[in-house]
Amino acid sequence: SYVLTQPPSVSVAPGKTARITCGGNNIGSKSVHWYQQKPGQAPVLVVYDDSDRPSGIPERFSGSNSGNTATLTISRVEAGDEADYYCQVWDSSSDHPGDVVFGGGTKLTVL
Amino acid sequence: QLQLQESGPGLVKPSETLSLTCTVSGGSISSSSYFWGWIRQPPGKGLEWIGSIHYSGSTYYNPSLKSRVTISVDTSKNQFSLRLSSLTAADTAVYYCARQLPYGSGLYYFDYWGQGTLVTVSS
Repeated sequence: SYVLTQPPSVSVAPGKTARITCGGNNIGSKSVHWYQQKPGQAPVLVVYDDSDRPSGIPERFSGSNSGNTATLTISRVEAGDEADYYCQVWDSSSDHPGDVVFGGGTKLTVL
Repeated sequence: QLQLQESGPGLVKPSETLSLTCTVSGGSISSSSYFWGWIRQPPGKGLEWIGSIHYSGSTYYNPSLKSRVTISVDTSKNQFSLRLSSLTAADTAVYYCARQLPYGSGLYYFDYWGQGTLVTVSS
């Protein structure tokens, strides 16, 4: 089965840029989606299709995807960005109809 | 504004079957090509997709759970449901329902989520 690997934690000072990676075999050939989850809340989609933002998501959130790594970039980080972040893809390369795969999640800490 | 709400028991015994329902409001479950999915999250852990269904009845399941999972849809009630059998403590989790976009011959991202419901498996 397809595996997505995220760093368990990332720390960043307010106003700086946070980069959260999501590694997978040839992930650049897949569409990657990112969710933000704050404690006790449901996940919220922040980036879809590698780099598009849903309405209402600040432009500070952006994404990229190439080779074996997708990246969620959060510019001018604010205290309110502190949360868990998950990447997600659809994998249809295995011998089954298809599989929604989530990364293990990254806890973003704002120092 | 589309809203999803999970309902079901908060406590289930080991070896029994869990039944959860997701009620969709603010839109019709059968009005478009969307899929409707279930995702769970054990306490302190990450997200795990369980499966997704289209109002036509077409389904995709997580291969690791497929033998124990059934997802169904009731368009007359604007609901879809999850049944998970042979429960163990490892099935203790917050269960979310969500709307999912189709993508080519597969599935895409989840754009609307329910608030989640905690299910504890314990005797």
